[in-house]
Amino acid sequence: GAVVSQHPSRVICKSGTSVKIECRSLDFQATTMFWYRQFPKQSLMLMATSNEGSKATYEQGVEKDKFLINHASLTLSTLTVTSAHPEDSSFYICSAIEDRETETQYFGPGTRLLVL
Amino acid sequence: AQSVSQHNHHVILSEAASLELGCNYSYGGTVNLFWYVQYPGQHLQLLLKYFSGDPLVKGIKGFEAEFIKSKFSFNLRKPSVQWSDTAEYFCAVTSPAFKAAGNKLTFGGGTRVLVKP
Repeated sequence: GAVVSQHPSRVICKSGTSVKIECRSLDFQATTMFWYRQFPKQSLMLMATSNEGSKATYEQGVEKDKFLINHASLTLSTLTVTSAHPEDSSFYICSAIEDRETETQYFGPGTRLLVL
Repeated sequence: AQSVSQHNHHVILSEAASLELGCNYSYGGTVNLFWYVQYPGQHLQLLLKYFSGDPLVKGIKGFEAEFIKSKFSFNLRKPSVQWSDTAEYFCAVTSPAFKAAGNKLTFGGGTRVLVKP
């Protein structure tokens, strides 16, 4: 149980375009999902907390208008990188909480974004 | 704010050697502690977690971790490693006190472990 998927796994886009990444909880409902960014050989950096039915909470230094988050249902959150630039190239990972009481996060496989 | 530090960035050892990875956190209140593993090319997987009770926690694949409150530590151990344990290991912390802030996890910097066959 507690499987989280992400789509696409890899995406290459031109500078200035927007890219949407989907995060799905496959066998459970997730009222809360998280979006992370991982740079090569570094740890995960939390970008934002996505709550179903409400606005996302962004970490300090993360541009809300740049990284649009929509948590439209209990099993789906999307991250849209708007007007992507090469410096946005990174590994984006989502996670979801299955049971809020236990607060254990289950991670998706990640999406590698390359902006040319 | 809380922070998590993992002392070793890289560890190289031979098969059958014992492994211990250090993890220290800064928050003085009640904490929930996790170790995640990321095998090459794969996503993060939960190795083990501690919320309360017995401070010695056993996880998957023969790993265990000990919570020592007085030392603010949650070190990961495995008595005898295998080549397949080559991976990056992340310690992470959250706290019920931060539930209002969205149950955020704070990750350590990670430790890359290379097990030589």
